[in-house]
Amino acid sequence: LAKTTQPISMDSYEGQEVNITCSHNNIATNDYITWYQQFPSQGPRFIIQGYKTKVTNEVASLFIPADRKSSTLSLPRVSLSDTAVYYCLVLVGNTGKLIFGQGTTLQVKP
Amino acid sequence: GAVVSQHPSWVICKSGTSVKIECRSLDFQATTMFWYRQFPKQSLMLMATSNEGSKATYEQGVEKDKFLINHASLTLSTLTVTSAHPEDSSFYICSAGTGSGNTGELFFGEGSRLTVL
Repeated sequence: LAKTTQPISMDSYEGQEVNITCSHNNIATNDYITWYQQFPSQGPRFIIQGYKTKVTNEVASLFIPADRKSSTLSLPRVSLSDTAVYYCLVLVGNTGKLIFGQGTTLQVKP
Repeated sequence: GAVVSQHPSWVICKSGTSVKIECRSLDFQATTMFWYRQFPKQSLMLMATSNEGSKATYEQGVEKDKFLINHASLTLSTLTVTSAHPEDSSFYICSAGTGSGNTGELFFGEGSRLTVL
Protein backbone atom coordinates (compact mmCIF):
# COMPACT_ATOMS: atom_id res chain seq x y z
CA LEU A 1 0.00 0.00 0.00
CA ALA A 2 1.25 3.43 -0.91
CA LYS A 3 2.33 5.39 2.15
CA THR A 4 1.98 9.14 2.21
CA THR A 5 4.23 11.65 3.95
CA GLN A 6 3.27 15.25 4.57
CA PRO A 7 4.33 17.99 6.99
CA ILE A 8 2.82 17.65 10.44
CA SER A 9 1.88 21.30 10.70
CA MET A 10 1.87 24.59 8.81
CA ASP A 11 1.07 28.16 9.72
CA SER A 12 -0.31 30.80 7.41
CA TYR A 13 -2.08 34.15 7.47
CA GLU A 14 -5.44 35.12 6.11
CA GLY A 15 -5.41 35.93 2.41
CA GLN A 16 -2.28 33.96 1.66
CA GLU A 17 -1.98 31.01 -0.69
CA VAL A 18 -1.11 27.78 1.08
CA ASN A 19 0.64 24.87 -0.60
CA ILE A 20 0.83 21.52 1.14
CA THR A 21 3.05 18.93 -0.47
CA CYS A 22 2.68 15.21 0.02
CA SER A 23 5.02 12.46 -1.06
CA HIS A 24 3.81 9.02 -2.11
CA ASN A 25 6.86 7.35 -3.58
CA ASN A 26 5.39 3.90 -4.08
CA ILE A 27 2.07 4.89 -5.58
CA ALA A 28 0.71 2.22 -7.92
CA THR A 29 -0.45 2.70 -11.48
CA ASN A 30 -4.13 2.43 -10.61
CA ASP A 31 -4.02 4.63 -7.50
CA TYR A 32 -5.61 8.07 -7.34
CA ILE A 33 -4.52 10.90 -5.07
CA THR A 34 -7.20 12.40 -2.88
CA TRP A 35 -7.19 15.19 -0.33
CA TYR A 36 -9.59 15.55 2.58
CA GLN A 37 -10.16 18.25 5.19
CA GLN A 38 -11.18 17.51 8.76
CA PHE A 39 -12.42 19.83 11.48
CA PRO A 40 -12.41 18.72 15.13
CA SER A 41 -15.11 16.17 15.99
CA GLN A 42 -16.32 15.96 12.40
CA GLY A 43 -15.88 13.44 9.63
CA PRO A 44 -13.41 14.25 6.85
CA ARG A 45 -14.67 16.25 3.91
CA PHE A 46 -13.55 15.67 0.32
CA ILE A 47 -11.52 18.47 -1.22
CA ILE A 48 -10.10 17.23 -4.50
CA GLN A 49 -8.89 14.16 -6.35
CA GLY A 50 -6.48 13.66 -9.23
CA TYR A 51 -4.44 11.16 -11.18
CA LYS A 52 -1.86 13.33 -12.91
CA THR A 53 -1.10 16.90 -14.04
CA LYS A 54 -3.39 19.56 -12.59
CA VAL A 55 -6.90 19.48 -11.26
CA THR A 56 -8.82 22.54 -10.12
CA ASN A 57 -12.20 22.96 -8.49
CA GLU A 58 -13.95 25.77 -6.69
CA VAL A 59 -11.95 25.39 -3.49
CA ALA A 60 -8.49 24.12 -4.40
CA SER A 61 -5.99 23.02 -7.00
CA LEU A 62 -4.02 19.81 -7.06
CA PHE A 63 -0.69 19.59 -8.83
CA ILE A 64 0.74 16.17 -9.65
CA PRO A 65 4.07 15.82 -11.48
CA ALA A 66 4.61 13.29 -14.22
CA ASP A 67 6.23 10.71 -11.95
CA ARG A 68 3.24 10.95 -9.54
CA LYS A 69 5.51 10.44 -6.56
CA SER A 70 4.26 13.61 -4.95
CA SER A 71 1.35 16.01 -5.09
CA THR A 72 0.69 19.55 -3.92
CA LEU A 73 -2.60 20.86 -2.63
CA SER A 74 -2.97 24.59 -3.22
CA LEU A 75 -5.49 26.61 -1.23
CA PRO A 76 -5.88 30.14 -2.61
CA ARG A 77 -6.42 33.02 -0.19
CA VAL A 78 -7.04 31.07 2.98
CA SER A 79 -9.30 32.34 5.72
CA LEU A 80 -9.52 31.57 9.42
CA SER A 81 -12.16 28.93 8.67
CA ASP A 82 -9.60 26.95 6.68
CA THR A 83 -7.86 26.04 9.93
CA ALA A 84 -8.14 22.26 9.92
CA VAL A 85 -6.26 19.02 9.38
CA TYR A 86 -5.59 18.18 5.73
CA TYR A 87 -5.02 14.59 4.69
CA CYS A 88 -3.29 13.41 1.56
CA LEU A 89 -4.54 9.97 0.67
CA VAL A 90 -4.02 7.38 -1.98
CA LEU A 91 -7.16 5.59 -3.09
CA VAL A 92 -6.00 2.01 -3.20
CA GLY A 93 -6.45 0.31 -6.56
CA ASN A 94 -10.04 -0.78 -7.06
CA THR A 95 -10.80 -1.42 -3.40
CA GLY A 96 -12.10 2.02 -2.53
CA LYS A 97 -9.96 1.93 0.61
CA LEU A 98 -8.50 5.14 1.93
CA ILE A 99 -5.54 4.76 4.25
CA PHE A 100 -4.99 7.90 6.30
CA GLY A 101 -1.55 9.22 7.11
CA GLN A 102 -0.78 11.68 9.87
CA GLY A 103 -2.24 14.70 8.09
CA THR A 104 -1.12 18.33 8.12
CA THR A 105 -2.56 20.65 10.73
CA LEU A 106 -2.97 24.04 9.08
CA GLN A 107 -3.31 27.01 11.39
CA VAL A 108 -4.49 30.20 9.70
CA LYS A 109 -3.79 33.34 11.69
CA PRO A 110 -5.46 36.73 11.37
CA GLY B 1 -23.84 16.00 -2.83
CA ALA B 2 -24.19 12.54 -1.41
CA VAL B 3 -24.79 12.31 2.31
CA VAL B 4 -23.72 9.74 4.83
CA SER B 5 -25.38 9.91 8.22
CA GLN B 6 -24.36 8.29 11.48
CA HIS B 7 -26.40 7.66 14.59
CA PRO B 8 -25.96 8.28 17.40
CA SER B 9 -23.57 11.22 17.18
CA TRP B 10 -22.47 10.57 20.72
CA VAL B 11 -23.09 7.86 23.28
CA ILE B 12 -22.03 7.18 26.84
CA CYS B 13 -22.23 3.68 28.19
CA LYS B 14 -21.11 1.60 31.12
CA SER B 15 -18.24 -0.78 30.86
CA GLY B 16 -19.36 -4.24 29.74
CA THR B 17 -22.34 -3.10 27.69
CA SER B 18 -22.65 -3.21 23.92
CA VAL B 19 -23.21 -0.21 21.71
CA LYS B 20 -24.52 -0.13 18.15
CA ILE B 21 -23.64 2.65 15.72
CA GLU B 22 -25.53 3.05 12.46
CA CYS B 23 -24.20 4.38 9.19
CA ARG B 24 -26.65 5.26 6.43
CA SER B 25 -26.17 6.47 2.89
CA LEU B 26 -29.11 8.81 2.51
CA ASP B 27 -29.36 9.37 -1.21
CA PHE B 28 -27.31 6.66 -2.83
CA GLN B 29 -26.69 2.96 -2.57
CA ALA B 30 -23.41 1.76 -1.18
CA THR B 31 -22.36 -1.84 -1.63
CA THR B 32 -19.25 -1.07 0.38
CA MET B 33 -18.82 1.04 3.46
CA PHE B 34 -15.77 1.59 5.62
CA TRP B 35 -15.42 1.97 9.36
CA TYR B 36 -12.69 4.06 10.96
CA ARG B 37 -11.67 4.85 14.50
CA GLN B 38 -9.95 8.04 15.58
CA PHE B 39 -8.37 8.75 18.94
CA PRO B 40 -7.78 12.35 20.11
CA LYS B 41 -5.17 14.21 18.07
CA GLN B 42 -4.53 11.16 15.95
CA SER B 43 -5.36 10.23 12.39
CA LEU B 44 -8.17 7.94 11.28
CA MET B 45 -7.45 4.26 11.46
CA LEU B 46 -9.28 1.95 9.10
CA MET B 47 -10.97 -0.83 11.04
CA ALA B 48 -12.90 -2.78 8.45
CA THR B 49 -14.58 -2.86 5.09
CA SER B 50 -18.29 -3.56 5.26
CA ASN B 51 -19.71 -5.44 2.31
CA GLU B 52 -23.44 -5.64 1.64
CA GLY B 53 -24.66 -9.19 1.91
CA SER B 54 -21.36 -10.70 3.00
CA LYS B 55 -18.93 -10.72 5.88
CA ALA B 56 -16.89 -7.68 6.68
CA THR B 57 -13.18 -7.62 6.01
CA TYR B 58 -11.19 -6.54 9.04
CA GLU B 59 -7.82 -4.82 9.07
CA GLN B 60 -4.96 -6.48 10.85
CA GLY B 61 -5.17 -6.11 14.61
CA VAL B 62 -8.90 -5.36 14.72
CA GLU B 63 -10.90 -7.96 16.65
CA LYS B 64 -13.85 -9.07 14.57
CA ASP B 65 -15.65 -10.52 17.58
CA LYS B 66 -15.26 -7.25 19.41
CA PHE B 67 -16.41 -5.02 16.60
CA LEU B 68 -19.36 -6.64 14.87
CA ILE B 69 -20.27 -5.25 11.49
CA ASN B 70 -23.53 -5.90 9.69
CA HIS B 71 -24.27 -4.53 6.23
CA ALA B 72 -27.81 -5.75 5.77
CA SER B 73 -28.89 -3.39 3.01
CA LEU B 74 -27.41 -1.12 0.38
CA THR B 75 -27.97 1.93 2.56
CA LEU B 76 -27.18 0.72 6.06
CA SER B 77 -24.16 -0.65 7.85
CA THR B 78 -23.94 -1.08 11.61
CA LEU B 79 -20.96 -1.35 13.93
CA THR B 80 -21.55 -2.94 17.31
CA VAL B 81 -18.89 -2.53 19.96
CA THR B 82 -19.42 -5.55 22.20
CA SER B 83 -18.58 -5.60 25.88
CA ALA B 84 -17.21 -2.09 25.65
CA HIS B 85 -14.37 -0.99 27.90
CA PRO B 86 -12.90 2.45 28.57
CA GLU B 87 -10.12 1.83 26.03
CA ASP B 88 -12.81 1.53 23.34
CA SER B 89 -13.73 5.17 23.90
CA SER B 90 -13.08 6.83 20.59
CA PHE B 91 -14.54 8.68 17.62
CA TYR B 92 -15.97 6.18 15.15
CA ILE B 93 -16.48 7.30 11.57
CA CYS B 94 -17.97 5.52 8.57
CA SER B 95 -17.63 6.27 4.90
CA ALA B 96 -19.31 5.21 1.69
CA GLY B 97 -18.62 5.97 -1.94
CA THR B 98 -20.55 6.66 -5.06
CA GLY B 99 -17.79 5.89 -7.50
CA SER B 100 -16.68 2.59 -8.81
CA GLY B 101 -13.27 1.08 -8.50
CA ASN B 102 -10.54 3.56 -7.80
CA THR B 103 -12.26 6.78 -8.71
CA GLY B 104 -15.05 8.73 -7.22
CA GLU B 105 -15.54 10.42 -3.94
CA LEU B 106 -15.87 8.80 -0.56
CA PHE B 107 -18.30 10.54 1.76
CA PHE B 108 -17.82 10.40 5.47
CA GLY B 109 -20.41 10.45 8.21
CA GLU B 110 -20.39 13.02 10.98
CA GLY B 111 -18.82 10.54 13.34
CA SER B 112 -20.02 8.94 16.56
CA ARG B 113 -18.22 9.66 19.79
CA LEU B 114 -18.27 6.74 22.20
CA THR B 115 -17.40 7.22 25.84
CA VAL B 116 -17.21 4.12 27.99
CA LEU B 117 -17.30 4.72 31.71
